[in-house]
Amino acid sequence: GDSVTQMEGPVTLSEEAFLTINCTYTATGYPSLFWYVQYPGEGLQLLLKATKADDKGSNKGFEATYRKETTSFHLEKGSVQVSDSAVYFCALRNTGNQFYFGTGTSLTVIP
Amino acid sequence: GAVVSQHPSRVICKSGTSVKIECRSLDFQATTMFWYRQFPKQSLMLMATSNEGSKATYEQGVEKDKFLINHASLTLSTLTVTSAHPEDSSFYICSARDPRTDSTDTQYFGPGTRLTVL
Repeated sequence: GDSVTQMEGPVTLSEEAFLTINCTYTATGYPSLFWYVQYPGEGLQLLLKATKADDKGSNKGFEATYRKETTSFHLEKGSVQVSDSAVYFCALRNTGNQFYFGTGTSLTVIP
Repeated sequence: GAVVSQHPSRVICKSGTSVKIECRSLDFQATTMFWYRQFPKQSLMLMATSNEGSKATYEQGVEKDKFLINHASLTLSTLTVTSAHPEDSSFYICSARDPRTDSTDTQYFGPGTRLTVL
């Protein structure tokens, strides 16, 4: 079945460090791929998305490229800030409009 | 963006009792809402899709008599955990699609409800 695997956390980085959170997926057909972020005490918010191979989603300095050949959608940011501390979820929407989420990766950025 | 709320945020109940969780879309009308369950350090698992004015569609393995879903209005869906047991303790999250957007991809999530059954 369809699934998403993302790197386990927690991840702790110093401010201005480079961030990568790995995400790979298994799906039939051509899913859409997403990154959601959950700040403490809040609901999940869409961070970025890509709907087809080689698309790059970007928002708030975060980027992820839909790589069909490696079935990956890794999240990157060149310089993290304390305010980026949150839990990040990778997700896919399959051709049946069902969403599958990864387990989430907790990021803590220290000043 | 669109806002979805959940109430309560936390609930503790005794085994055998029923618990109702509300999910509201605050600034849009949601014809479809979704209910997820999240175990510690695990993924969000879709439980059911709630459609306004009709019966919910449950995912395989989810007991429809155990988890009653009612979507009586365009802004409110409720999940009732009936005869709760300790194994029902979990984090329940709802989401909704905003039909005003032109994409079916974006779901707006509530903050979740932590259920603890003693």
